[in-house]
Formats: sequence, structure tokens, C-alpha cells
Amino acid sequence: GAVVSQHPSWVICKSGTSVKIECRSLDFQATTMFWYRQFPKQSLMLMATSNEGSKATYEQGVEKDKFLINHASLTLSTLTVTSAHPEDSSFYICSARRGTNEKLFFGSGTQLSVL
Amino acid sequence: EDQVTQSPEALRLQEGESSSLNCSYTVSGLRGLFWYRQDPGKGPEFLFTLYSAGEEKEKERLKATLTKKESFLHITAPKPEDSATYLCAVQASPGTASKLTFGTGTRLQVTL
Repeated sequence: GAVVSQHPSWVICKSGTSVKIECRSLDFQATTMFWYRQFPKQSLMLMATSNEGSKATYEQGVEKDKFLINHASLTLSTLTVTSAHPEDSSFYICSARRGTNEKLFFGSGTQLSVL
Repeated sequence: EDQVTQSPEALRLQEGESSSLNCSYTVSGLRGLFWYRQDPGKGPEFLFTLYSAGEEKEKERLKATLTKKESFLHITAPKPEDSATYLCAVQASPGTASKLTFGTGTRLQVTL
């Protein structure tokens, strides 16, 4: 099956710093990638949808200036949490899709802890 | 607005004790219903996609079924390694994103 690699798997940072998370589709070209956020014992909440070569579409309530998404190629999307604060601590998961009706393949997630 | 409700929230089974997980959904036009398995600290792992009422799919001890209002994930003779959170998600009729809407999941624990 398709493989989506997410890196890093965990990161601890100081409040006010920025953190970049990478999501790569290893064996297919991902026209669309999605970024989710998950709090403990809660479901995945979609943050934004990124299409290669265009601006990301953010869900309501998600600050686009805080969560910068770049989908520079068909195999790489990045999420940068800018000026992170403790309330940004969460589990971030990316997913990738090949076509318009294909199932999503998920990365292994990134646990972000902001001190 | 698309909605997905899963029940029960948590389920504890003994090894070999079969049961079913429920996923009720409300969507303007169902394009697909997905089941995923998620282990702690990991991303979801794809299990099944169902597209139309009456459809069934099986994989090892798991069988997923779909009606016009809900889906069931039947687990037959579970083993401890089946312990995980099972997530249900719906994909609505095609739009610009065709994003998935997830339920909150059922946390399954299978004991010896």
C-alpha cells in the first residue's frame, strides 16, 4: 500500500519558537494533502487542505498565519506552527490522497509539546 | 453539516467475545464511508471503504457493513492485538476538497 512519511514523530519546543513538520508521500504523487489535529481521546479535526502549487484552504477557526502550509511538490507538504504556545500542544497528522476518490493514507503523526 | 457519531465510546471484550461497533452518519450525499484503526500515538491505518447501502467488506476478523444511515464494524472472536481505537469517517459528495469527516472513535480493549 501507499506510504506516507511524517517527520518528526515528536518535538518539544519553547514557547514562541516555530516548528516545521514534514509530510512526504513516498511511492505516489499526492495531488492533495490534508493536515489534521487530534487531542487526547478525541477525533481528528481537519485543519487545512493543501493542493500542490496553490494556497492551502483552511477550516473555519484555524489561523492561517499561525499554521503555515506549503505544498511545494507532489510528494511534500509542510506545516509550520509559528510562535508556538502551550495551547498548540497536540498530535498533528497529515494525510495524502492520489486521486479525487481515493482513500486517505495517513502519516504516523507528530506529537508537539510546547513548554 | 456532515455528522458522524460512533458508539460505544469504549468497549471492553474478552478474547473470543464477538461484538459490533456502530457508526451513524448524516451527510448530504455519501460518496464513501471509511473505517480506520488507530493505535496510540500513531496515525490511522486504513481498513475499509464502503460506497453504497448493502455493501459488505471483510478482512480477517473484521467485517464492515453499510446502510443508508449507519455502518457497523463487526469483530468476530477478537484477539488482544485487535485492541485499538476504531474510527469511522464519511466523504460527502464531490466538492472542491471531498474531505473526510471523522467520528470520535470507539476505543476497543480485548483482554485475555
